[in-house]
Amino acid sequence: GNSVTQMEGPVTLSEEAFLTINCTYTATGYPSLFWYVQYPGEGLQLLLKATKADDKGSNKGFEATYRKETTSFHLEKGSVQVSDSAVYFCALMNSGNTPLVFGKGTRLSVIA
Amino acid sequence: GAVVSQHPSRVICKSGTSVKIECRSLDFQATTMFWYRQFPKQSLMLMATSNEGSKATYEQGVEKDKFLINHASLTLSTLTVTSAHPEDSSFYICSARRSTDTQYFGPGTRLTVL
Repeated sequence: GNSVTQMEGPVTLSEEAFLTINCTYTATGYPSLFWYVQYPGEGLQLLLKATKADDKGSNKGFEATYRKETTSFHLEKGSVQVSDSAVYFCALMNSGNTPLVFGKGTRLSVIA
Repeated sequence: GAVVSQHPSRVICKSGTSVKIECRSLDFQATTMFWYRQFPKQSLMLMATSNEGSKATYEQGVEKDKFLINHASLTLSTLTVTSAHPEDSSFYICSARRSTDTQYFGPGTRLTVL
């Protein structure tokens, strides 16, 4: 079946530090991959996505590259800010009208 | 990006009452909407998939008679928690999908059952 595994948090970083949140997946076929972000008390916002191998999604300084050979979609940011503190969810979706499959989420806290 | 709204954002009710949560796609037509439940500090649990004009498909372990889902139009889906109990207290999030492969999420509804 389809599943997403992401690193457990919480992750605490100082402002301007480099961020990596690991995400690996198991899927049949060729899924699309997503990162969503959830700020406290809010719903999920799409952060970035990639729909095929070697695609790089990017937004707000965050990047993730779809690596089929390692079945990974690690999230990176070169310099985090306090405002990046949130929970980050990696997700996949196979083709067709199937729902997203989420990882468990990684809580990031950035301190000044 | 696409906008999905939920109403209400917070609701407190007494045990035994029913609560209706609305999910609207404001600037696109959503053929499919999804309802999720999120427990504190945990991931989202998919409850059901709702296609416009047809019955919702519930995930295993979700009581369809307790969580009534209606998707009467391409822009509106509702979740009714019937005879709510304290264990139903949670954060409920809906999402809507356009014809593309992206799901857009609502801001969530915090339900507290006393």
